[in-house]
Amino acid sequence: NAGVTQTPKFRVLKTGQSMTLLCAQDMNHEYMYWYRQDPGMGLRLIHYSVGEGTTAKGEVPDGYNVSRLKKQNFLLGLESAAPSQTSVYFCASSLFGGQAPTQYFGPGTRLLVL
Amino acid sequence: SQQGEEDPQALSIQEGENATMNCSYKTSINNLQWYRQNSGRGLVHLILIRSNEREKHSGRLRVTLDTSKKSSSLLITASRAADTASYFCATDASGAQKLVFGQGTRLTINP
Repeated sequence: NAGVTQTPKFRVLKTGQSMTLLCAQDMNHEYMYWYRQDPGMGLRLIHYSVGEGTTAKGEVPDGYNVSRLKKQNFLLGLESAAPSQTSVYFCASSLFGGQAPTQYFGPGTRLLVL
Repeated sequence: SQQGEEDPQALSIQEGENATMNCSYKTSINNLQWYRQNSGRGLVHLILIRSNEREKHSGRLRVTLDTSKKSSSLLITASRAADTASYFCATDASGAQKLVFGQGTRLTINP
């Protein structure tokens, strides 16, 4: 049981480049989340999904897009990276949201935008 | 905007002492959770307390919840060096499908 995995672990981008972060979970969880964490800060929710084929905006969605084509995968895309998107990105999943709100986190992806 | 606020922002104690950190939130909640984050790692769930509970224990952890004051506290007894980490509270409101995290307390246990 790998839990929640994230690919890649670290990436350097130039301003304007695009990339996709992949999150995969093997726990058959319905809900998946993408957060960003900046130094000394808590987590801010970017987008989330309550099931395959659904997505919703979180607190800081601008500049990001997401897709949940398969239940086990949740992709986060940056179409045109900006230095303000330098951060650590965490993916998480939970079984059923409000009824089972405990979230399980991946190890994170460190992104540096130059 | 983040709902939870942790206090203190940083705490440094000697090994063996107890560590207490607090969380305040703004709106009515269903549950409150505490998570731990070791440096450079993802968050790990520690304990969940529901809005109709006042106190909960798990090993060396004790969590209290006061819904009238919209606050919670996490007590770690007999601290160990391995407890050095950041601790976050997270709340979910009724009907909400997501958690709102506080900014965290950075705990350092000195040997």
